[in-house]
Amino acid sequence: KAGVTQTPRYLIKTRGQQVTLSCSPISGHRSVSWYQQTPGQGLQFLFEYFSETQRNKGNFPGRFSGRQFSNSRSEMNVSTLELGDSALYLCASSLSAAPGGYTFGSGTRLTVV
Amino acid sequence: AQSVTQPDIHITVSEGASLELRCNYSYGATPYLFWYVQSPGQGLQLLLKYFSGDTLVQGIKGFEAEFKRSQSSFNLRKPSVHWSDAAEYFCAVVPNQAGTALIFGKGTTLSVSS
Repeated sequence: KAGVTQTPRYLIKTRGQQVTLSCSPISGHRSVSWYQQTPGQGLQFLFEYFSETQRNKGNFPGRFSGRQFSNSRSEMNVSTLELGDSALYLCASSLSAAPGGYTFGSGTRLTVV
Repeated sequence: AQSVTQPDIHITVSEGASLELRCNYSYGATPYLFWYVQSPGQGLQLLLKYFSGDTLVQGIKGFEAEFKRSQSSFNLRKPSVHWSDAAEYFCAVVPNQAGTALIFGKGTTLSVSS
């Protein structure tokens, strides 16, 4: 079956712009989580959605937001981009609300110039 | 502070030699424990996980990990490394049974020499 699909794979944006990243989970998976990966901070949890509800949120500013649609697809949005937002953004999906069993996508590489 | 520590930033192992990657956590209760691998430009692949029960966990690609409560450790092992194992390895925890967010260590980069 198809894995977790993230689009686009690469993105270049200018400071101050906003960006929307998309994640299509594995069919049947209802939980979608987002992580930011940078060389300095490593992998950090952004937020998690389950059945269209945000269930958990990491320690990121309000410029980072997300949502999940009824088909479990998820988007994350970053407004007023800063250079420090340059990162690999990873999406993970899971079948249930319980932890574990996450399948990660290949990520979206965002570069802010 | 609560954290996940991978003490080794970079390890080089000869092909065919054994491997052990260290992971320590500092959480009060036994968390859920995971090991992930990431190849360059790719996402994370789950190698194995520990929730409870037998403290020796078998995973994919010939990897295993042992949970030691007394040492708050969850070290990853492989008896014979292949060149294709070169990648970055991340230990992760879900701190408690009520949570779902993965907390990652900083990772260990494995190089394999011929």
